Amino acid sequence: SQKIEQNSEALNIQEGKTATLTCNYTNYSPAYLQWYRQDPGRGPVFLLLIRENEKEKRKERLKVTFDTTLKQSLFHITASQPADSATYLCAGGLGTNAGKSTFGDGTTLTVKP
Amino acid sequence: DAGITQSPRHKVTETGTPVTLRCHQTENHRYMYWYRQDPGHGLRLIHYSYGVKDTDKGEVSDGYSVSRSKTEDFLLTLESATSSQTSVYFCAISLTGEGTDTQYFGPGTRLTVL
Repeated sequence: SQKIEQNSEALNIQEGKTATLTCNYTNYSPAYLQWYRQDPGRGPVFLLLIRENEKEKRKERLKVTFDTTLKQSLFHITASQPADSATYLCAGGLGTNAGKSTFGDGTTLTVKP
Repeated sequence: DAGITQSPRHKVTETGTPVTLRCHQTENHRYMYWYRQDPGHGLRLIHYSYGVKDTDKGEVSDGYSVSRSKTEDFLLTLESATSSQTSVYFCAISLTGEGTDTQYFGPGTRLTVL
């Protein structure tokens, strides 16, 4: 079955450093990948979407890449801040509007001052 | 928050009782979804709807049913709750167009089945 794997359950970094989160997909070829942020006790919040024909996308301090050869997406937060501490979810979709995205378990990022 | 509310926000019930969770949206979106989120399993799709009275199953639909009689409301029913259905349930909508299903989630309902 199609699977999204986020390699690290937890990532701890120092404030000001770049956080890099990994998302790997297996058994399917998503047309796009999405990244969401989830704070404790809240629903996920959409951050960025990257399509399979795009190598890189940026939004403020966020950057996401899509490597179809490695079957991987990397999510970077530059100049990280304690307020970036949250769980980040990766989801891979097939290119329809039918809600068929598969979600990973998430990586919990802690940024220490 | 895309105008999504869920009720109740918390519920404790006993095994074998029926439970209905409600998702309400105010912006007339066509697609609505129910997920459950459990440690070690991430978000898993239970059922989704692509219009009034049009629903389909997700990957973990056993033990759940849904109904959508109005655009704004999507109900999730556990006919006879079991302890394995203890979870956090999220409703979501997606914005159609451009062939993607970017989703906007409600605040969640924490359900405990004793």
